[in-house]
Amino acid sequence: DGGITQSPKYLFRKEGQNVTLSCEQNLNHDAMYWYRQDPGQGLRLIYYSQIVNDFQKGDIAEGYSVSREKKESFPLTVTSAQKNPTAFYLCASSIWQGGQPQHFGDGTRLSIL
Amino acid sequence: AQSVTQLDSHVSVSEGTPVLLRCNYSSSYSPSLFWYVQHPNKGLQLLLKYTSAATLVKGINGFEAEFKKSETSFHLTKPSAHMSDAAEYFCVVSDMFSGGYNKLIFGAGTRLAVHP
Repeated sequence: DGGITQSPKYLFRKEGQNVTLSCEQNLNHDAMYWYRQDPGQGLRLIYYSQIVNDFQKGDIAEGYSVSREKKESFPLTVTSAQKNPTAFYLCASSIWQGGQPQHFGDGTRLSIL
Repeated sequence: AQSVTQLDSHVSVSEGTPVLLRCNYSSSYSPSLFWYVQHPNKGLQLLLKYTSAATLVKGINGFEAEFKKSETSFHLTKPSAHMSDAAEYFCVVSDMFSGGYNKLIFGAGTRLAVHP
């Protein structure tokens, strides 16, 4: 079955440490996205990528970095510059066309030790 | 700019009674609208989508939503709630004209509780 796989499901970060969240899709979608979800809030866009080797900042990109070396993969690095990284992180993908729905992975919950 | 307002942060119903989750949107263009459901510690699952075809949209698990342009609303309904419907629901509008990319704008969510 086609879908989006995020790993790990739970992740712990120590102070000053960078951590990388994995996102892989086999839906053959061009576009991929990273969102952050905090309790009681909707999703906020961190980064998005329309095509391989290209990505753009979303609404809350500070303290995060991404890469898009393969169509299937869009890893997110939470750097030590992100002072409040505790959140639920969701990866999504879609057809690159306005008005299309996005398909989501099951998320990674990041906590601080 | 487009925006989405979910009018209730929490809705509580009894099993077997109707469900109504309310959503208003603002858009300068003909919007694409979606409802997603999220169960605890899970990703978002698409329930249904409106893309300017029929104004009454049927989705999965017995849910449907009606697009009312005059009221700028897109409320989600279900005739009879099941225990398994307990989850968080997000109303979402697609911004088709922001730099040409498929940006989704999310409401804050409505948490649905279903009681026996």
